[in-house]
Amino acid sequence: AQSVTQPDIHITVSEGASLELRCNYSYGATPYLFWYVQSPGQGLQLLLKYFSGDTLVQGIKGFEAEFKRSQSSFNLRKPSVHWSDAAEYFCAVGPRTGTASKLTFGTGTRLQVTL
Amino acid sequence: SQTIHQWPATLVQPVGSPLSLECTVEGTSNPNLYWYRQAAGRGLQLLFYSIGIDQISSEVPQNLSASRPQDRQFILSSKKLLLSDSGFYLCAWSVKEIGNEQFFGPGTRLTVL
Repeated sequence: AQSVTQPDIHITVSEGASLELRCNYSYGATPYLFWYVQSPGQGLQLLLKYFSGDTLVQGIKGFEAEFKRSQSSFNLRKPSVHWSDAAEYFCAVGPRTGTASKLTFGTGTRLQVTL
Repeated sequence: SQTIHQWPATLVQPVGSPLSLECTVEGTSNPNLYWYRQAAGRGLQLLFYSIGIDQISSEVPQNLSASRPQDRQFILSSKKLLLSDSGFYLCAWSVKEIGNEQFFGPGTRLTVL
């Protein structure tokens, strides 16, 4: 069965510092990969996605993620964090075949930004 | 542009009462629709998905059911709520082609007392 692991439940960084959120997946084949962000009490917003091609993917709000097939990882990075980035971040994987894009989510990483 | 609505935004219900949560999508036709539940510290769990009117697939056995009476309307229901049904319920849609991202609604916070 597929699974997504986000090993860091909670991360605190200072504003202006760099950020890396980890994501590892277990899947039968290379899935589609996504990062979403959720502000408290809100729905999820897509940050970026990987389908194929260049393994370094650029997203919104200055985020990027790198797909590493050998490590089954899709880590999210940002060179300089802003206070408004404080939120919960979810990594998700989806199938390349089937009738619906059923996503499997990790348990999330809560990011706190100190000023 | 596409918009997804959910209501109500919050709901407090007694154990054993019925439930109906509604989700509607605007600006697209024939979408795939999804219901998720988010419990604290447990991420999102896919409950149901639908690829068309009256075509519902259940992902986990539970006390809930889903229906899709119209192309862009997705309803989550229960005849008798349990305490364990409390959580944050999110509706999402995607285009038909596999691999596309899902777009999420604002969610409904359900508290069962």
